[in-house]
Amino acid sequence: GAVVSQHPSRVICKSGTSVKIECRSLDFQATTMFWYRQFPKQSLMLMATSNEGSKATYEQGVEKDKFLINHASLTLSTLTVTSAHPEDSSFYICSARQAPINQPQHFGDGTRLSIL
Amino acid sequence: AQTVTQSQPEMSVQEAETVTLSCTYDTSESDYYLFWYKQPPSRQMILVIRQEAYKQQNATENRFSVNFQKAAKSFSLKISDSQLGDAAMYFCAYLIQGAQKLVFGQGTRLTINP
Repeated sequence: GAVVSQHPSRVICKSGTSVKIECRSLDFQATTMFWYRQFPKQSLMLMATSNEGSKATYEQGVEKDKFLINHASLTLSTLTVTSAHPEDSSFYICSARQAPINQPQHFGDGTRLSIL
Repeated sequence: AQTVTQSQPEMSVQEAETVTLSCTYDTSESDYYLFWYKQPPSRQMILVIRQEAYKQQNATENRFSVNFQKAAKSFSLKISDSQLGDAAMYFCAYLIQGAQKLVFGQGTRLTINP
């Protein structure tokens, strides 16, 4: 149980392209979803937290107009990297958690984004 | 602010032996949750074990156990009978209940020597 599916697993695209990453909770209702960014050999950096039906809460330093997050249902959240540039290349990981808040987060397999 | 510190960037252990990964944290809260996650080369984050701060008993999951010292704010992970499949990055994490988010440590890369 508690499976989180993230798609696509790998994206390579040209600079200026917008890229959408999907995160789905397959067998539970995710009241809260999280988006992380991970640089090589580093820890996970939280980008934003989203609750179903509400606007995402972004961490300090994360551009909300650059990284658009939508959490329209209890099983789906999307991250759109708008007008991506090479510096946006990274590993992006989503996670999902059901209520209450002390439930563990379950992570997707991540998306490796490469902007040429 | 809550912080999580893993002071061992890398650890190695012989297969079948026991290894302990260290984690300390800083908080002013009295009730909270702590986690250990494993990230193998596939990059997927896998929950290893969870500890509730109000429980004095150390959590155990098969070969994985924790030594939770609340007063010392220490939360170490012990892996017994290490297996090759245990090789991974291990992250200690603290749940900030008010903000509903996890704070991760820097990670410890564990190598298992056959």
